[in-house]
Amino acid sequence: NAGVMQNPRHLVRRRGQEARLRCSPMKGHSHVYWYRQLPEEGLKFMVYLQKENIIDESGMPKERFSAEFPKEGPSILRIQQVVRGDSAAYFCASSPQRQQNEQFFGPGTRLTVL
Amino acid sequence: GQNIDQPTEMTATEGAIVQINCTYQTSGFNGLFWYQQHAGEAPTFLSYNVLDGLEEKGRFSSFLSRSKGYSYLLLKELQMKDSASYLCAVRWGMGAGNNRKLIWGLGTSLAVNP
Repeated sequence: NAGVMQNPRHLVRRRGQEARLRCSPMKGHSHVYWYRQLPEEGLKFMVYLQKENIIDESGMPKERFSAEFPKEGPSILRIQQVVRGDSAAYFCASSPQRQQNEQFFGPGTRLTVL
Repeated sequence: GQNIDQPTEMTATEGAIVQINCTYQTSGFNGLFWYQQHAGEAPTFLSYNVLDGLEEKGRFSSFLSRSKGYSYLLLKELQMKDSASYLCAVRWGMGAGNNRKLIWGLGTSLAVNP
């Protein structure tokens, strides 16, 4: 059973470009969470999604950031017009529908904005 | 707010025992997690507590006191590979969205010396 997959693992963008981060949850998992981790800081919750639904986006910046989890395909975290402050590690985690405990993390995407 | 406090750094000796503490705001508490994160890697699940008491899993144990808003992670027979950051995360709320979101402490960086 493959774990949570994220791609790309490393992404370099110039200021003003768009960044698209993908997350494929573990097989059988229907809940996806996105977290951001800045250097020397803790994990910050961004958004919680189920298939075709955003359940909690209280941690998402109001502008430039969006997330989706379509019926088919991976979950996408999209950052428009990136700025240097967006440079961070972005982790995706997933959990099964009936299990409300452990979240399984992907390896993360490290975004660098030049 | 939903503050979670844990020490920033700890140092211990190989073969010894170390206890990492975590305190949190008690209102609406709905479970506490400990994760391990090696530098540059994703967090991996260690333990989950929702009721008072001690949960033991091999060399690692986790304790919870809900009335005190306090937990600790106990690591026995320390090994060099235990050098990592240990993250305390709390779940608050019972609603459809809140019962999934985790709020994270900044992590405790543990250095195990020979």
